Amino acid sequence: DVKVTQSSRYLVKRTGEKVFLECVQDMDHENMFWYRQDPGLGLRLIYFSYDVKMKEKGDIPEGYSVSREKKERFSLILESASTNQTSMYLCASTLGRINQPQHFGDGTRLSIL
Amino acid sequence: AQRVTQPEKLLSVFKGAPVELKCNYSYSGSPELFWYVQYSRQRLQLLLRHISRESIKGFTADLNKGETSFHLKKPFAQEEDSAMYYCALKTSYDKVIFGPGTSLSVIP
Repeated sequence: DVKVTQSSRYLVKRTGEKVFLECVQDMDHENMFWYRQDPGLGLRLIYFSYDVKMKEKGDIPEGYSVSREKKERFSLILESASTNQTSMYLCASTLGRINQPQHFGDGTRLSIL
Repeated sequence: AQRVTQPEKLLSVFKGAPVELKCNYSYSGSPELFWYVQYSRQRLQLLLRHISRESIKGFTADLNKGETSFHLKKPFAQEEDSAMYYCALKTSYDKVIFGPGTSLSVIP
């Protein structure tokens, strides 16, 4: 069974801090994704990666960056956290083949004070 | 532009009644479409995908390319179907985008 693990379930940080959210998957999936989930807005894609050191911007990349140094790990970085980045962050992974579904982590609820 | 819309934020039905959750998409290429479900306090998980033409937990969804729709249907709603449902589109470049979601509440 695929396991996608996000390092923290809850995180509280202060405005201006640099924040790291980590995600690890154990199924050798090529593609990994970061979303933020907000009521009424659903899941919005921040960044995704289809290979090590490769990344693509999603629909809302501003204020975020990502890192994929190893295939199993995909990090989301908030360069200078702001209150409007308070949200639930979801990581997902999938095989890079047709019709493969995404597997999600439990999410990290991030609060920026 | 690629886009997924789900017109209903909230949908309430009585137990045993039919349910339809609407999904429309905008994409010029050949789409892959999925329905995901999130039950209370659980992680988001796949419900079904269009290519499989399967029925999962009594739910079915048919891709209508002419209407660019992928509506989710179930003939008889159960209380355990109460959850958040998301329609998702995967593009040719492996980008996956989601709709805003529909919260389904099944009234006993």
